[in-house]
Amino acid sequence: AQSVTQLGSHVSVSEGALVLLRCNYSSSVPPYLFWYVQYPNQGLQLLLKYTSAATLVKGINGFEAEFKKSETSFHLTKPSAHMSDAAEYFCAVRGANFGNEKLTFGTGTRLTIIP
Amino acid sequence: DAEITQSPRHKITETGRQVTLACHQTWNHNNMFWYRQDLGHGLRLIHYSYGVHDTNKGEVSDGYSVSRSNTEDLPLTLESAASSQTSVYFCASSATRTDTQYFGPGTRLTVL
Repeated sequence: AQSVTQLGSHVSVSEGALVLLRCNYSSSVPPYLFWYVQYPNQGLQLLLKYTSAATLVKGINGFEAEFKKSETSFHLTKPSAHMSDAAEYFCAVRGANFGNEKLTFGTGTRLTIIP
Repeated sequence: DAEITQSPRHKITETGRQVTLACHQTWNHNNMFWYRQDLGHGLRLIHYSYGVHDTNKGEVSDGYSVSRSNTEDLPLTLESAASSQTSVYFCASSATRTDTQYFGPGTRLTVL
């Protein structure tokens, strides 16, 4: 079974500051890990994913995440926050084995950008 | 362009009524999923399908059913709507053996 924990249901950062959203995972098999973003009244959009290749993954809109097996973490970062980054962010996990297509999501982190 | 659509986008119904939410994708994906989103719970899996005539229960399947008669559609039925089923419902699809799920815009359901 797999699960993810997102630390902090709300995070506020100033425009131009570093964004750090935390995600820790638990998995009995090698995991695939994902970050999705949800803008108000919209569906979820994939930001980036880790699928056992490079541990540092770059995504859209300047976001990146690093898979750290020793810390069971997959934190999302962006060097400089922009007002358009205000949204809800979800971390998700699935097993890397074939046939296991289901995603398990975290409870989400709402990111607020302070002008 | 390929897409995934949901209808209706908003629905208000009464307790005890049967409700069906539609999900249609033109990606030709084998895998389709239904989630509900509630504050403090993130997204929770209701049902999923890996192909035509295949359906499986997810984490929160009680009170819901699905059927898959073709590749494009996976309708979600609430047999007898309850106030606890007030939520935002998302449909998603993915191709077999790949790893990205594509999400629809969601349906906001209110059960009074």
